Amino acid sequence: KQEVTQIPAALSVPEGENLVLNCSFTDSAIYNLQWFRQDPGKGLTSLLLIQSSQREQTSGRLNASLDKSSGRSTLYIAASQPGDSATYLCAGLSSGSARQLTFGSGTQLTVLP
Amino acid sequence: DAGVIQSPRHEVTEMGQEVTLRCKPISGHDYLFWYRQTMMRGLELLIYFNNNVPIDDSGMPEDRFSAKMPNASFSTLKIQPSEPRDSAVYFCASSIGLRTGELFFGEGSRLTVL
Repeated sequence: KQEVTQIPAALSVPEGENLVLNCSFTDSAIYNLQWFRQDPGKGLTSLLLIQSSQREQTSGRLNASLDKSSGRSTLYIAASQPGDSATYLCAGLSSGSARQLTFGSGTQLTVLP
Repeated sequence: DAGVIQSPRHEVTEMGQEVTLRCKPISGHDYLFWYRQTMMRGLELLIYFNNNVPIDDSGMPEDRFSAKMPNASFSTLKIQPSEPRDSAVYFCASSIGLRTGELFFGEGSRLTVL
């Protein structure tokens, strides 16, 4: 059974800092991995989707990587801004069933002005 | 596209009452998912549909929960009778494919059962 872990649970950084959020998964037979952002009282917003055949995806200041052999994905945020403050979740799909889309518990990021 | 649309955004009801949550997926998406989010358990998949057909409802907690998708643009999640432990945020999400498609979430319906 796939398990997805995100450490740390919370992170606080000063504005302008580059940072990395970590996501680890136990089942390397993964089809895709998706990063989401959740603001308080809101739904999840898709940030980046990495297919198993890809190593990374980029969108603006965000870059996500996927290393299946080590069971790790990272989300890199460049030049962080207070508006980046949110909870970031990763989710891995490890089979053809949506039942196997497993979410991490998230990292709560605070960017201080 | 307006994204996944859910209603109501907030619902406060008394124990024993029927609750109906509604969802309009993104046009063209053939997968629809209902999730529940609580502080204790995080995100839980309740049920999902493919082309309006329920594929896996093993996450539905009890017979009190039911979900339907009468057409490609509408789905409901019903709780009857509701209980205080059903209090949570219920999310609807849709995607164009399971393996290759991004998952798009609605804003959620926050349910409080007194």
